[in-house]
Amino acid sequence: EVQLVESGGPFVPPGGSLRVSCAASGFTFKNAWMSWVRQAPGKGLEWVGRIKTNTEGGATDFAAPVRDRFSILRDDSENMLYLQMNSLTSEDTAVYYCTAEPSRGWYGLDKWGQGTMVIVSS
Amino acid sequence: DIQMTQSPSSVSASVGDRVTITCRASQSISSWLAWYQQKPDRAPKSLIYIASNLQSGVPSRFRGNGSGTDFTLTISSLQPEDFATYYCQQYNTSPLTFGGGTKVEIK
Repeated sequence: EVQLVESGGPFVPPGGSLRVSCAASGFTFKNAWMSWVRQAPGKGLEWVGRIKTNTEGGATDFAAPVRDRFSILRDDSENMLYLQMNSLTSEDTAVYYCTAEPSRGWYGLDKWGQGTMVIVSS
Repeated sequence: DIQMTQSPSSVSASVGDRVTITCRASQSISSWLAWYQQKPDRAPKSLIYIASNLQSGVPSRFRGNGSGTDFTLTISSLQPEDFATYYCQQYNTSPLTFGGGTKVEIK
């Protein structure tokens, strides 16, 4: 059974940094593309960014609002995914979901974690 | 970026009704479209990929259709567990983008 378990947060002050983590199991992590998707309170889904496999150079890409502030890392030896968030503002307050694409772009974001809340507030 | 526009934003329906949700892309995405279902305080669940293919375990009352810029999600006979918010998402081009969502409510 695929499991994606996020952790990290919830509180960080404006301008601060936070790293959220995702522990993956139940599939071949090193072969999967991994993404983060967020959802602000009462709002819709917003894709944050993705990391491809290390075989593909671990290439990353991001949505424009976070491109210069966020980074994604993966540790295939530990089946862990990380989202490093810097220069946080209240606009970044959201539930952050870890998602997996074992099919590497064929089936969409077909595996989701339960999400972790991040609250940017003083 | 490719903009995804869903309509309606909400729909009220009864158990047994047929419901159709529309999703339009601002440019052609071929068939690289997925649909997700989200219930309150739960993570989204993938329903359909490549516009019309059901994920494993998804009931056959869900049907996806379309290609290019115009897509639909149809629920042929609404069940109590189908009341939720539905999102389309294009994965033809980065950045991946979602529609604004359609909330299916009980009439």
